[in-house]
Amino acid sequence: QSVLTQPPSVSAAPGQKVTISCSGSSSNIGNNYVSWYQQLPGTAPKLLIYDNNKRPSGIPDRFSGSKSGTSATLGITGLQTGDEADYYCGTWDSSLSASFGGGTKLTVL
Amino acid sequence: QVTLKESGPVLVKPTETLTLTCTVSGFSLSNARMGVSWIRQPPGKALEWLAHIFSNDEKSYSTSLKSRLTISKDTSKSQVVLTMTNMDPVDTATYYCARTHDEGRFDPWGQGTLVTVSS
Repeated sequence: QSVLTQPPSVSAAPGQKVTISCSGSSSNIGNNYVSWYQQLPGTAPKLLIYDNNKRPSGIPDRFSGSKSGTSATLGITGLQTGDEADYYCGTWDSSLSASFGGGTKLTVL
Repeated sequence: QVTLKESGPVLVKPTETLTLTCTVSGFSLSNARMGVSWIRQPPGKALEWLAHIFSNDEKSYSTSLKSRLTISKDTSKSQVVLTMTNMDPVDTATYYCARTHDEGRFDPWGQGTLVTVSS
């Protein structure tokens, strides 16, 4: 049972937009930055979003992040088949422990 | 270019102790505001954070696994070592190390190493 709650799966057609939610509490998301990671099949996770809404160099602006209270959201626009992957949110809590969500499998129909 | 690479046994027996090494390049383990974390992923399951160590040698562990884990670093060798005692088949997973930034992001990650626990 993950500390952060994500939907198990989402799907949308190519070119469309999708959002993935991540729900936590005041002890984690509510008082810490949220990061998002993309894990393509058979590969290691890769940082997509950090500090709630910042994109590392090389990540297209089709990917966006936001946070409100104890929840965070990852948005992906202009969906491509190459975006099919598992997406994880992550954050820390006041005891210096990190947590991840259960992961969301994105299917581009 | 920052890289991390995990190494260790691919197979361990139940009750044995697992020792994994993360060798980093492109940054120093003495860099302020950065450290290394270990994260694992059982086959087909979610990521699970295990432990981290920062440049000032501060350490933190997963609450549920704290009694079994020890993280340490050798700055001169650019290595971070994780030991996990009393291994069980449920510990079968891909183990990753990742550079951990002060505000909490993991970037980049190593390629991971699959550890199977079986007699």
